Amino acid sequence: NAGVTQTPKFQVLKTGQSMTLQCAQDMNHNSMYWYRQDPGMGLRLIYYSASEGTTDKGEVPNGYNVSRLNKREFSLRLESAAPSQTSVYFCASSEVGVPNQPQHFGDGTRLSIL
Amino acid sequence: GDSVTQMEGPVTLSEEAFLTINCTYTATGYPSLFWYVQYPGEGLQLLLKATKADDKGSNKGFEATYRKETTSFHLEKGSVQVSDSAVYFCALRTMDTGRRALTFGSGTRLQVQP
Repeated sequence: NAGVTQTPKFQVLKTGQSMTLQCAQDMNHNSMYWYRQDPGMGLRLIYYSASEGTTDKGEVPNGYNVSRLNKREFSLRLESAAPSQTSVYFCASSEVGVPNQPQHFGDGTRLSIL
Repeated sequence: GDSVTQMEGPVTLSEEAFLTINCTYTATGYPSLFWYVQYPGEGLQLLLKATKADDKGSNKGFEATYRKETTSFHLEKGSVQVSDSAVYFCALRTMDTGRRALTFGSGTRLQVQP
């Protein structure tokens, strides 16, 4: 009963380094999302993928890229990490076509940029 | 644009006390409303939802009623337990956009003391 799996759970980077955060879901969901969580700000949408083969920007896409590798996997890449990207990153998935289905979240990746 | 406002925390209560966490929203169209809970070190879990005006969502003793006239979705529980200590997020989703992503409030930390 894995649901949404994110790797790694923790990572420390130096400014300018690159990194890819991995996300996989086993619920056969069409839609996947990347959020960042910062203190006092709730979660903000970075990118989303409504279905396999499509990706779109959310509220805070600058400095990030994404890849919807297949229906299961949706990765988030930081090409040149900056201290402002220190955050907790959450991946989520949901089904579409069935009204008001909730989003299912992974446990998060805590990322620190020095 | 859409927004969710939650009462600031932390909220500190004694076990068996009554809980209210206020949530108000601004949205275009007719949003669905959600409460998510985040336990320490974990991702977000759906607690309850309501999809139309006057709907009441309930789960694990928590309740929230969708009040369109006051644009509110306050979370209540009659008797909290230590195990309810967590961060609670109010969120909405409108169907006006294809992405169906969630808009979150900033979260309210609940601390229940024995």
